Amino acid sequence: SQQGEEDPQALSIQEGENATMNCSYKTSINNLQWYRQNSGRGLVHLILIRSNEREKHSGRLRVTLDTSKKSSSLLITASRAADTASYFCATVLFTDKLIFGTGTRLQVFP
Amino acid sequence: GAGVSQSPRYKVAKRGQDVALRCDPISGHVSLFWYQQALGQGPEFLTYFQNEAQLDKSGLPSDRFFAERPEGSVSTLKIQRTQQEDSAVYLCASSLRTSGSLDEQFFGPGTRLTVL
Repeated sequence: SQQGEEDPQALSIQEGENATMNCSYKTSINNLQWYRQNSGRGLVHLILIRSNEREKHSGRLRVTLDTSKKSSSLLITASRAADTASYFCATVLFTDKLIFGTGTRLQVFP
Repeated sequence: GAGVSQSPRYKVAKRGQDVALRCDPISGHVSLFWYQQALGQGPEFLTYFQNEAQLDKSGLPSDRFFAERPEGSVSTLKIQRTQQEDSAVYLCASSLRTSGSLDEQFFGPGTRLTVL
């Protein structure tokens, strides 16, 4: 079973625009991670945010975490065609496995 | 350095056949994970090794699925008497430390299994 649900399921934007994806989950977590998957590079880790953190930045990525609402968001600023991919949030409970959400398919048009 | 590699990349099996999928993690990585990803879905956890010890196999869908990592490096996922519902991409991931998913996981390209 999948812990998280991403919203929207699909998103289409123009290059240069910002893309926001949301993730909701069901149980308490140790940390939450975002991954990107495309056919060229497989599944790649983007960013990890711990349960005691509220916001984290990495380049053009900004992740927020609201543990009271059991939700996280991923913002990609100034998007590029190369950002076209599926994006997954994955939660870590207090065991060692990642529990992935259902994913958001992002299409960035040149 | 090389990343996580998996072989074969594609496997077609007739229903009832046994298959073996191989994962070569990044050298020195302690933790190794197997996931199953159905079309259009996120990966789902199957099993986790720390060195050669299988610490969690709660995600294996049935006793037809078996995984091993006898020397703490290469791992094999074996599926016996394959069924059509086993068709999926099987992903292997490794991470450096014993903290498992508290670290970034590095994923292989996956093996796409099609059961006819």
